[in-house]
Amino acid sequence: DAEITQSPRHKITETGRQVTLACHQTWNHNNMFWYRQDLGHGLRLIHYSYGVQDTNKGEVSDGYSVSRSNTEDLPLTLESAASSQTSVYFCASSGPREGDTQYFGPGTRLTVL
Amino acid sequence: QQQVKQSPQSLIVQKGGISIINCAYENTAFDYFPWYQQFPGKGPALLIAIRPDVSEKKEGRFTISFNKSAKQFSLHIMDSQPGDSATYFCAASYSNYQLIWGAGTKLIIKP
Repeated sequence: DAEITQSPRHKITETGRQVTLACHQTWNHNNMFWYRQDLGHGLRLIHYSYGVQDTNKGEVSDGYSVSRSNTEDLPLTLESAASSQTSVYFCASSGPREGDTQYFGPGTRLTVL
Repeated sequence: QQQVKQSPQSLIVQKGGISIINCAYENTAFDYFPWYQQFPGKGPALLIAIRPDVSEKKEGRFTISFNKSAKQFSLHIMDSQPGDSATYFCAASYSNYQLIWGAGTKLIIKP
């Protein structure tokens, strides 16, 4: 069965360190998204990609970067982790048609000390 | 104009009762309105969705009511069950694959 996985599931890091969160999908979807989820804010879009070599900034992109070298993977990098980036991060992917369901991974809980 | 406002923030309903969650939007260009359900420790999953050309969509115990003139839509859960206890998110999008999310409603169904 097609799926979307994230790793690690939990991560503790220190302020200033670079952190990379992995996202891998086997749906063969072109569209991939990274969100952060914080209490009271719902899901906020960090970055998104509509295909290989395509990346775009979302609502809360400062301090984050992504790269898309193949269809299956969209890693999220925190260049210099800050305590404000403590959150739960979700990756999602969707098919090519507008309105296609976004399928979410299980999330990564990141704590920045 | 990009916001989707969701209420209430939390909701407690007795087993067998009707759960109602409301969302409002401003951008009339939105043309797709999904509801997602999220259980603790899991990612959100699509529950039901509607487009503005219909006023209601029903799937089992879950119904979306859509009021285009008022720019509001709501999720109704009939005969609510303890297994429905979860966080529910409304969202909206228009022609660009991106979803604008409400802040979420934590629903608790009391046995």
